[in-house]
This record gives sequence, structure tokens and C-alpha cells, in this order.
Amino acid sequence: DVKVTQSSRYLVKRTGEKVFLECVQDMDHENMFWYRQDPGLGLRLIYFSYDVKMKEKGDIPEGYSVSREKKERFSLILESASTNQTSMYLCASRSTGGPSYEQYFGPGTRLTVT
Amino acid sequence: GESVGLHLPTLSVQEGDNSIINCAYSNSASDYFIWYKQESGKGPQFIIDIRSNMDKRQGQRVTVLLNKTVKHLSLQIAATQPGDSAVYFCAENIGSASKIIFGSGTRLSIRP
Repeated sequence: DVKVTQSSRYLVKRTGEKVFLECVQDMDHENMFWYRQDPGLGLRLIYFSYDVKMKEKGDIPEGYSVSREKKERFSLILESASTNQTSMYLCASRSTGGPSYEQYFGPGTRLTVT
Repeated sequence: GESVGLHLPTLSVQEGDNSIINCAYSNSASDYFIWYKQESGKGPQFIIDIRSNMDKRQGQRVTVLLNKTVKHLSLQIAATQPGDSAVYFCAENIGSASKIIFGSGTRLSIRP
């Protein structure tokens, strides 16, 4: 089974702190994604990466950056956390090609910024 | 539990009945559609997908119907069980495999 793990289930940070959210997948997938999930808004794409050291902005990249130094690991960085970044953050991975665009999701990190 | 879903539409179904969850999509260029299930405290999990050149696809206890004329997608769950309680998301893909847009979700609750 594909496994996507995220470093923390719950995280509480203060406004202005730098925050790192880590995601690791074990299926050698080329593509990795970061979403945030808010009530009534579904999942919104922040950034994705289709290869090591490659990244593309999603729909809401402002206030975030990412790092992909190794294929299995994709990090989301909040340079200076703000209260409006309080949310559930979901990481996903997917292989390139094949008949399906199925993404495999991690369990999520609930981030609270105070 | 999670606060996700506080403002979601809710569908309440008697155990053993069939469930129908509906989704309207926005872009006529969407070529691929996916249904995900998200249980409390977990990430979304793939259920079934359908390409735009099809109008129906069946899986185990689930059927997805696609009506491109009215841009409507539905997920039918046969003989609904307590384990089907979750939030269900439809998602549409437009062109690039990375451009997947998720709906806001529907919470399915099961009455015993």
C-alpha cells in the first residue's frame, strides 16, 4: 500500500514564526502536492512538484514556499505564520502516467496560528 | 472531531438504503472526474473515477454517473453501511494532471 506520512497531526505556532510541514511518500511517486482544507471550501492547491527540485504554484501560493530536495520528501514552509493560515494541511502524491490521476493523501496536519 | 464540514451540505440516509450524492462542476473542458471519501481524522481516499468520454462507471457498491450536458456528476452507493459515513468530495481535472479542482464536499450520515 502507498503510504504518505506527515510529520505532525497537530501543530500550534505563534504569529510570525517560521513553520515547516514535512511530507514523505514511500512509493517513488514523481508528483507531490500540498493542499489546505477549510470548511466549505474543499481542498485548495498551494504548490505541487513534479520532480526533485521542481515546483509549481497552485491556486493559493501566497505566504508559502516549498522544498523538494529528495524525491520522497516535500516540505511546505510558512515563512512568517499568520492567523489566516490556521487550517488543515494535506499532502498528496501521485505517479506520472497510468490510467488514473488518483492521488494518495496523508492524514493531514491541523495547524493553529495564535 | 474535525471542524471540516461544519458548513457542508448533509445527506442523511437509512442504513441499507441507496445513497446518491450530487456534484455540479463548472468547466466544460474538464476531462476527468474523481470521487474521494474522507473519514474523520483522515486524508481523502480515492473511491472511483470516470473520464469525460464515459457516462457511467461501476465499482464495488458504487456507481458514478456523468451528465456532460448539464455538467453534473453523481455518486451512488448501494446498500449504505455505517462505514460509509464520511465527507464525499468530487474533483474535476482540467487538462494538466496537476490541475485538479475539488468541490466543497457533502457529509453523508447513516441512520440506524
